Order: sequence, then C-alpha cells, then structure tokens
Amino acid sequence: GDQVEQSPSALSLHEGTGSALRCNFTTTMRAVQWFRKNSRGSLINLFYLASGTKENGRLKSAFDSKERYSTLHIRDAQLEDSGTYFCAAGPLLSGSFNKLTFGAGTRLAVCP
Amino acid sequence: EAAVTQSPRNKVAVTGGKVTLSCNQTNNHNNMYWYRQDTGHGLRLIHYSYGAGSTEKGDIPDGYKASRPSQENFSLILELATPSQTSVYFCASGDALGGRYEQYFGPGTRLTVL
Repeated sequence: GDQVEQSPSALSLHEGTGSALRCNFTTTMRAVQWFRKNSRGSLINLFYLASGTKENGRLKSAFDSKERYSTLHIRDAQLEDSGTYFCAAGPLLSGSFNKLTFGAGTRLAVCP
Repeated sequence: EAAVTQSPRNKVAVTGGKVTLSCNQTNNHNNMYWYRQDTGHGLRLIHYSYGAGSTEKGDIPDGYKASRPSQENFSLILELATPSQTSVYFCASGDALGGRYEQYFGPGTRLTVL
C-alpha cells in the first residue's frame, strides 16, 4: 500500500533554533497536510499543500509531488512548538475521496 | 474554519461491552472519516463515509462498525470492545470542492478498554 516515511522520529531543539522535518512518499500524492498534536491531544492543521511552498509565521512547508516528498521547516523554535508533528497525504488517483496515509510522526521537544 | 466535534472526549469501557463514539460536523462536508492513533504510529483509517446512509471500510475495520444517519453525524461502534481497541480515536470531515482535499479533525476521544 501507499507508504509515508517521516523523519526524524524524534527531535530536540533549543529555543531559538530551527530544523526540518521530512516525509517521503512511495507513490505520487496529490496533496499533503501537516498537523501538530498538542498537549491536549488535539490535531491542529498547520498546512495543506497541493504544490509549492507555504509559510505561516515561523513555519514553512514545501511539497514536491513529482519528487515525492514534503518538508516542514521550523525556525526560531519556541517552547509551545513542542508536540508531535504528522504529515499525511492522499494518492493522486483516488477520485473525489481523499484517503490520507499518515507518517508515524515526529516528537519535537523544545528546551529552554 | 471547519468545526468537528466528538463525544465523549474520554471513555472507559469494559471488555465485551458496547461503545459508541459520536462525531458531528457543521460544515456540510460530504466525506467523514474515523481514525485511530496509537503511540508511535500515525493515524490509521477505520471507516469512512461519502454521505448520509453510506459507510465504507477503511484499512483496519475489523471489530468496528460505523453509522452515518445524516450529513452531520458519523458514529463509530464497538459492539464487543476489547483491550486492543484502547486508543485515541479521531473523526474528520472533508470534501473535494474546488479540488481541495483538506481534512479537518475533531479533538479526539481517548478510549480505554479494561
């Protein structure tokens, strides 16, 4: 089946630093979503991309359907950025139904 | 912003008991989904629906049933709960309007089966 490989599985950052998360796809995806699971367990929508890049504050995401990957860059990390980040994507040829396959998540800990 | 709510938010059930998780969305989306998320794993699709009256099996449907009585409501039913069904369950809604396939998630239900 469709696979989404997310890396790294865990990441520790000091406040003010940055890093990138990555998802590789085994098939051509038509769009990607990035989420953060917060301390309350809720999934927060961060980005939806069908192509190109998007930026929101200290977060920036890119999606390349042809090269089968997506990235999420975090800069100037803050304590409240801690949580588990998931990417999810749906295959190109799935009609009007969007069957998302999720990566296993990246556990981010931001330390003072 | 999409609004998807779930109830209950937390549930403790006994093995062999029946559990019903409810989901409501107010965005008039056609598609609704039920996922479970276990520690160290991404969300996995249990059942989904294209609209009122329809339910389809996802990737891990065994032990679960679903019901979509209306556009707004989608329930997940565990007829005979087992400890292996202890998990966090997420409901989502979405549509393909304008070629945008974004899904919006509820806050999750933490289910513990003793």
